[in-house]
Amino acid sequence: SYELTQAPSVSVSPGQTARITCSGDALSKKYAYWYQQKSGQAPVLVIYEDTKRPSGFPERFSGSSSGTMATLTISGAQVEDEGDYYCYSTDSSGNHRVFGGGTKLTVL
Amino acid sequence: EVHLVESGGGVVRPGGSLRLSCTASGFTVGDYDMSWVRQAPGKGLEWVSGINWNGGRLGYVDSVKGRFTISRDNAKNSLYLQMNSLRAEDTAFYYCTRDRLSGGGGDWYFDLWGRGTLVTVSS
Repeated sequence: SYELTQAPSVSVSPGQTARITCSGDALSKKYAYWYQQKSGQAPVLVIYEDTKRPSGFPERFSGSSSGTMATLTISGAQVEDEGDYYCYSTDSSGNHRVFGGGTKLTVL
Repeated sequence: EVHLVESGGGVVRPGGSLRLSCTASGFTVGDYDMSWVRQAPGKGLEWVSGINWNGGRLGYVDSVKGRFTISRDNAKNSLYLQMNSLRAEDTAFYYCTRDRLSGGGGDWYFDLWGRGTLVTVSS
C-alpha cells in the first residue's frame, strides 16, 4: 500500500523558519496537500496543489515540491502555529487517498 | 458561512451497528463529492469512504469494505455512513468532508471539514 512519510516532530523558536517534509514515491506526479490540526480541533487545509494557499490563510505558510518530496514552510513561526501537520496525496493511480503520519510542530 | 455538522456517534459493543449523519449548511451538498475521514484517539488521519455527487460512484478503504456503506440525500443536504460489524479498531473521531477536484483534474482533496463525531467500540 502507498505511504507518505513525515518526521514525527519539529521544534523551532518563535520567529524561526519551520520546515516540515513529506516523502512519497508518487509525489513527483501527484500534488501534495497540507492540513493543520490544533489540539481538540478538526483539520484545516493549509496548502493545496503543492503551493497554493487558501484565501485568508497567513502568508507565512508556503508549500513546495521537488521530486518525491513536498515541503511545508512556515516563515517566522508563531506560538499559535503549534499543532499537528498532515500531508495528503494519492498514489499514482489516484485510487488510494493517503495521509502522512503527521508532524507535531512545537514553537517555544 | 459554510459548515458541516456530524452526528450519530456513541458507544457501541463489538459487532454492533451505528449510523452517522452529516448535515451541510451554507452550500449545496449536491454540487460536491463528499467523504468520511477518521482519526483514532491520539493517532493520524485515515480516509474511510467517499461518494460522488449523485451517489453513482463509491469508494472505501480496504479495512471497512463489506461493513460500512456511504450514502447521501441531496434533497436533505446530508451525507451518511452506515457502520455494521463494528470492531474495536473502528474507534475514532469520524469527520465529514467536502471534496474538491484539483486544478489539473487528477486528484481529489478535502477542502472543508466538520468538527467530527466520536465512535467508541467497546464491550
